[in-house]
Amino acid sequence: KAGVTQTPRYLIKTRGQQVTLSCSPISGHRSVSWYQQTPGQGLQFLFEYFSETQRNKGNFPGRFSGRQFSNSRSEMNVSTLELGDSALYLCASSQESGRALNTEAFFGQGTRLTVV
Amino acid sequence: AQTVTQSQPEMSVQEAETVTLSCTYDTSESNYYLFWYKQPPSRQMILVIRQEAYKQQNATENRFSVNFQKAAKSFSLKISDSQLGDTAMYFCAFMRWMDSNYQLIWGAGTKLIIKP
Repeated sequence: KAGVTQTPRYLIKTRGQQVTLSCSPISGHRSVSWYQQTPGQGLQFLFEYFSETQRNKGNFPGRFSGRQFSNSRSEMNVSTLELGDSALYLCASSQESGRALNTEAFFGQGTRLTVV
Repeated sequence: AQTVTQSQPEMSVQEAETVTLSCTYDTSESNYYLFWYKQPPSRQMILVIRQEAYKQQNATENRFSVNFQKAAKSFSLKISDSQLGDTAMYFCAFMRWMDSNYQLIWGAGTKLIIKP
């Protein structure tokens, strides 16, 4: 069974540009969550999509958006990039929504975004 | 505010030794979940162990066990017979369900190095 796949693995963008990251969940998983990881900050929750609907959202500005397709694949978009957006972006998939507290999340290897 | 604190930024032990990673959290909720995740250099976050707050019995998974002290709001991870492959960042996370939504809050992580 293939794991969670995130593309691209590495990305370098310039301030002011926009970027789209992709996440393909494990087959059969309907929930996809996105996290931003920066050194010393742990993981910060961005949002969760379940069956093409945003179910939960963290405290990030509107420049961060996402969507989920009917095949459960998800994309995350960041517009007007800032230097502070440089981070590892992790995607996690699970069978059920995060509302099921005991659902296990499986993570991808992340996309390392560098904004210069 | 809900917080998760991992007071040890970095730890180092010899192979085969036992090591304990600490985690404390702050909440007024009575029902929640606690997790330990491992992030090796490959960057993929892997669930190590999970504890439900209403269960008094400490969770165990092979060489990994937790010491859950609900009154003290402490959730430490013990790794017995440590192996070189245990070298990774370890994150403690707290999840609760509230107001038709869930919150997942992460600690800043502990870097664990197992020396041969």
